[in-house]
Amino acid sequence: EVQLVESGGGLVQPGQSLRLSCTGSGFIFGEYAMSWVRQAPGKGLEWVGYIRSAPYGGTTQYAASVRGRFIISRDDSKGIAYLHLNTLKTEDTAVYYCTRALGVLRYWGQGTLVTVSS
Amino acid sequence: DIHMTQSPSSLSASIGDRVTITCQASQDIKNDLNWYQQRPGKAPKLLIYDTSKLETGVPSRFSGSGSGTHFTFFIRSLQPEDIGTYYCQQYDDLPRTFGQGTKVEI
Repeated sequence: EVQLVESGGGLVQPGQSLRLSCTGSGFIFGEYAMSWVRQAPGKGLEWVGYIRSAPYGGTTQYAASVRGRFIISRDDSKGIAYLHLNTLKTEDTAVYYCTRALGVLRYWGQGTLVTVSS
Repeated sequence: DIHMTQSPSSLSASIGDRVTITCQASQDIKNDLNWYQQRPGKAPKLLIYDTSKLETGVPSRFSGSGSGTHFTFFIRSLQPEDIGTYYCQQYDDLPRTFGQGTKVEI
């Protein structure tokens, strides 16, 4: 059974950083791209970015709203994808979901809440 | 960016009703469209992919159609467990974009 579990969320002040983790199991982690999607309180879904698998260069793409501040990385030996959130803004407050793949988002984690507030 | 316009933003229907949600893309996305259901407090769940393909394990009362820029999602006979918010999502181009959501109530 495919499972994705996010962790690392919490309360941070504007300008600070945070690292989210997404641990995958039930599949060969290194064979799949991983994406991040966020949802601000009471709002809709917003794609954050993705990282391709190593055979496809492990390249990353980001939404304009986070480009230059957020970085997606992965450690295939541990089956973990990371979302590094830097220079956080209040508008980054959201539940962050990791999902498997690039386009058809079949598997989702339960999400982890990031609150940016002073 | 490809803008996805979903309508209506909310609807109220009765058990057994047929529900229709539309999603319009700002440019041609071929058939690269998915539909998700999000129940309150839960992660989104894939229902329909590639415009009209039913995800494994999803009841057959859900269906989708369309191509190009105009897409439609149907619930043939609304059930109590169908309450939630439904989102379309295109994956034809970057950035991936979602519709604003349709909240379905009974």
